[in-house]
Amino acid sequence: GAGVSQSPSNKVTEKGKDVELRCDPISGHTALYWYRQSLGQGLEFLIYFQGNSAPDKSGLPSDRFSAERTGGSVSTLTIQRTQQEDSAVYLCASSSQGSHNEKLFFGSGTQLSVL
Amino acid sequence: KQEVTQIPAALSVPEGENLVLNCSFTDSAIYNLQWFRQDPGKGLTSLLLIQSSQREQTSGRLNASLDKSSGRSTLYIAASQPGDSATYLCAVRQMDSSYKLIFGSGTRLLVRP
Repeated sequence: GAGVSQSPSNKVTEKGKDVELRCDPISGHTALYWYRQSLGQGLEFLIYFQGNSAPDKSGLPSDRFSAERTGGSVSTLTIQRTQQEDSAVYLCASSSQGSHNEKLFFGSGTQLSVL
Repeated sequence: KQEVTQIPAALSVPEGENLVLNCSFTDSAIYNLQWFRQDPGKGLTSLLLIQSSQREQTSGRLNASLDKSSGRSTLYIAASQPGDSATYLCAVRQMDSSYKLIFGSGTRLLVRP
């Protein structure tokens, strides 16, 4: 596609429910990143996928968070048993090959609100 | 641990002014530094990327400089316009974890007509 696409753009859920956030990277991009942006905070790294390599999950804040990337393209970030502190904007980004010299291209994000 | 700081947190200027946004980082072992723009409810748009071996990059009315040894970068916006109103974020890519960008908290810019 022309850019990184994320869905839904907004999600309101009740505490304790599970949510799934989707990211469709730029076609052909092998590297995919998830970041979280809480109100008034900088962006926090969550997870990184590069090709067929094992993902770097070091940024996931708890075991309630997990992510998959099927077929090297679309990625899903799942949050189980959501808590109010999970409320944030979840941003996905992709880059061509995951080289450290590349620009990252971000999607518009999913605004998650946990009531 | 790398820390990225942006000053000021917010800035309001009249249209037409030239302005400078500041970014500092504590660990100079970086591959590059990137400036992004974020509009309300939107994702991030990459503005300029400066490699560690470069001193500056220019794009239109934007000029970004990098002084790696002192851990500083500036984003200069010439002849500001109301359409420049947005949050500006800087991010560094560290040499010890090359795929992670470490972000500052941003500078919220308002350009008044």
